[in-house]
Formats: sequence, C-alpha cells, structure tokens
Amino acid sequence: ETGVTQTPRHLVMGMTNKKSLKCEQHLGHNAMYWYKQSAKKPLELMFVYNFKEQTENNSVPSRFSPECPNSSHLFLHLHTLQPEDSALYLCASSQEAGTAYGYTFGSGTRLTVV
Amino acid sequence: GDSVTQMEGPVTLSEEAFLTINCTYTATGYPSLFWYVQYPGEGLQLLLKATKADDKGSNKGFEATYRKETTSFHLEKGSVQVSDSAVYFCALASGGSYIPTFGRGTSLIVHP
Repeated sequence: ETGVTQTPRHLVMGMTNKKSLKCEQHLGHNAMYWYKQSAKKPLELMFVYNFKEQTENNSVPSRFSPECPNSSHLFLHLHTLQPEDSALYLCASSQEAGTAYGYTFGSGTRLTVV
Repeated sequence: GDSVTQMEGPVTLSEEAFLTINCTYTATGYPSLFWYVQYPGEGLQLLLKATKADDKGSNKGFEATYRKETTSFHLEKGSVQVSDSAVYFCALASGGSYIPTFGRGTSLIVHP
C-alpha cells in the first residue's frame, strides 16, 4: 500500500471515447501531480495542484483535463485521445509543492488508445 | 534550466556484487536531491534523499552522498540482491522551480 491509489490500473479506450482516471490519497498531503511515463522517454510532468489550485500546466494538450475537487482527490479527464497518448499515467502527492519534500507515487494507470 | 544526467542502462550484476549508478546534475542554487525506485508494474517510490551538501541519504542498504563540488549524487549498494532489480531514477528540486526534475532512469538487472 503506497498511500496513493490510482484507478483503474489498466484502461483501453478508443479515440472517440471519454474516460477519467482517478487518484486518491489520505496522507494529508496538499500537493498532487499527474505525470506521463512513456517507453524510452523521460518522466513528463503534466499538471500540479497545490492546495487545490492548479499551479502548473506543462503545455499539455486540451484533450487532457485535470480536476482537483479537494486535496485528497485528483482526476484526469480524457477525450479524443491519440494513439501516441498510450502510456503509464502516474499520480503523485507531496506534503506541499516544495523543494525538500519527496513524492509518494501511485502504481499508475496503463492507458492504451486504440 | 535544471537537468539530471544518469548513466545509461541496463546495469547487469550478479547477486552480492557492488552497485554504483552515477548521477550528475545542473541546477541553480542549492537543490535537494533524490533517488526513486520503480519496480516492475509499479509507480515510483522514494528511496532516499539529501537536502544539502555533504549529506548522505540512506535506506535499505542504498546510500548516496550529495557532492556539491562534483555536482553528483551517485547511488551505491555494497551487495545487491535479485529483489533490487528495478529502474532507478535520480531527481532534483531547486528553489527556482519547486517541481522535481527527473533523470531518464537506469535499469538494474541482478542475476542469481
């Protein structure tokens, strides 16, 4: 149990579908993050929420839409994705968005776009 | 901008061998440094960290020392086990941008 739970673990979706990824933490952390991990590429930061406010959007296409209703939950809404969006999507949390705090990661959602 | 450079993998070792995975960084100011580990099918886990020069982070037999003069944070373990097989990521977070920058990861394979 890592403390950060992501659902679903695996998702296959068509390019015209709409789906959502869910992330939940009960660690009392105030910052939450979405990362994309693709084979042969560095970890890519997508979004940052600090105290429920979005503080970073790393030039992510609008077909990815984050939502943070409270400090324990983070969603990533997906629509009209492309095959190149297939990847492992990782959620992480930290005490707050600060330099000395390490992250706690979830196990990820393996997304396949067909 | 900030960057982290890790040695290319995979690193292949026999059980009980000595491990070193090199990590060097470029950053403004005085960053905090981290090592994360990712086991197959899992997310990343924080392995150890150091927040200032000459600090040594350690956990589960792994160690890394923050070397400001060489801008390095090499990961070492005296005797690896098969269960250490995973991908290891070096990362830094500096005061200019509070978001960690990750290296590309180094795959470690340990044979019995």
